[in-house]
Amino acid sequence: GNSVTQMEGPVTLSEEAFLTINCTYTATGYPSLFWYVQYPGEGLQLLLKATKADDKGSNKGFEATYRKETTSFHLEKGSVQVSDSAVYFCALSRLSRDNYGQNFVFGPGTRLSVLP
Amino acid sequence: DAGVIQSPRHEVTEMGQEVTLRCKPISGHDYLFWYRQTMMRGLELLIYFNNNVPIDDSGMPEDRFSAKMPNASFSTLKIQPSEPRDSAVYFCASSLRKGSSYNSPLHFGNGTRLTVT
Repeated sequence: GNSVTQMEGPVTLSEEAFLTINCTYTATGYPSLFWYVQYPGEGLQLLLKATKADDKGSNKGFEATYRKETTSFHLEKGSVQVSDSAVYFCALSRLSRDNYGQNFVFGPGTRLSVLP
Repeated sequence: DAGVIQSPRHEVTEMGQEVTLRCKPISGHDYLFWYRQTMMRGLELLIYFNNNVPIDDSGMPEDRFSAKMPNASFSTLKIQPSEPRDSAVYFCASSLRKGSSYNSPLHFGNGTRLTVT
């Protein structure tokens, strides 16, 4: 079946450090891939997405590249800020088995804490 | 755009009581999803609708849970009777899907934190 695996958290970094959160997936065919961010007390917000192999999604200094050969979609940021502290979710989207619906699968989330 | 609006933001109730959670999706979106989030199980899909019609309710945990979408701008998730293990954050999300594409992202509301004592 379809699944998403993320690195275990929490991840604690100092401000301006480099961030990598690993994400790998299992899916048939060519899923669309997403990163969502959840701030305390809020819902998930779309951070970036990629819809085909070698696509790079980017937003707010975050980047992730769709790697079909390694089935990965790692999230990176060159210099994190305190305001980036949140939980990050990797997700994939596929057609559901009836070829009609859209099936989202979310990873367990990785909590990031950035210290000043 | 006001985004997905959920109410109430917090609900505290006693075991056995009926609970109704409400959601207003983004105007024009044709898909609506209900999720539950807990520390133990993460995000779980409960049910989703397309054009107000329930498509997949296989994630609804028990008959105590029911969901309706009487029109394109409103949906409810009802738990009757509620139990302590139903305590969680419940999210509503909507999306605008173009044809058979699966590239459309979900737009989440801020959730309802339910506590059943």
